[in-house]
Amino acid sequence: QKEVEQDPGPLSVPEGAIVSLNCTYSNSAFQYFMWYRQYSRKGPELLMYTYSSGNKEDGRFTAQVDKSSKYISLFIRDSQPSDSATYLCAMGRMEYGNKLVFGAGTILRVKS
Amino acid sequence: DAGVTQSPTHLIKTRGQQVTLRCSPKSGHDTVSWYQQALGQGPQFIFQYYEEEERQRGNFPDRFSGHQFPNYSSELNVNALWLGDSALYLCASSLAGSTEQFFGPGTRLTVL
Repeated sequence: QKEVEQDPGPLSVPEGAIVSLNCTYSNSAFQYFMWYRQYSRKGPELLMYTYSSGNKEDGRFTAQVDKSSKYISLFIRDSQPSDSATYLCAMGRMEYGNKLVFGAGTILRVKS
Repeated sequence: DAGVTQSPTHLIKTRGQQVTLRCSPKSGHDTVSWYQQALGQGPQFIFQYYEEEERQRGNFPDRFSGHQFPNYSSELNVNALWLGDSALYLCASSLAGSTEQFFGPGTRLTVL
């Protein structure tokens, strides 16, 4: 079993839709959680990060963490064609410093 | 302010050869981590360098080695290349003690 599970998609939505992206994890020791966006043939770009259960909002993006269920989500409101990319969840433990464990990524396609 | 830079952009090698990839961290960052991203997968942690020493290592064989220079830039060396080493190699930089990592554009390595 992988430490972090993420549905690879692809997820196809119309422009303006609300998108929900999810990851589950098995290691309850993970303490911080991140979402990265990766365009084709580019490096990952940090979108959101959080350390605690609950919601964190930044513009059209909301990150949600439920540590009791080992489940994290990223919501994108008013999705745009420019949001079409692969979204990677990542998580880590403080005692392991910067080592991140990634999900496989979900491909998102927003149709205009 | 330059972000993380990597060179070369693309590289083609044959089995058995050796390769060196280079990374310059974001200005002010002192910690460099390397990741391997196979096609359709999330990045996998190779190792991390801080104060010119390898601080953490993922599940990669000794064929993978690295170095960090006094100016915080870093190299990743891979010996005895085989087909399975074909991937996007990503460098991420951060400040020691910080969990936020910023990725470079990657080097795409193809082993024939």
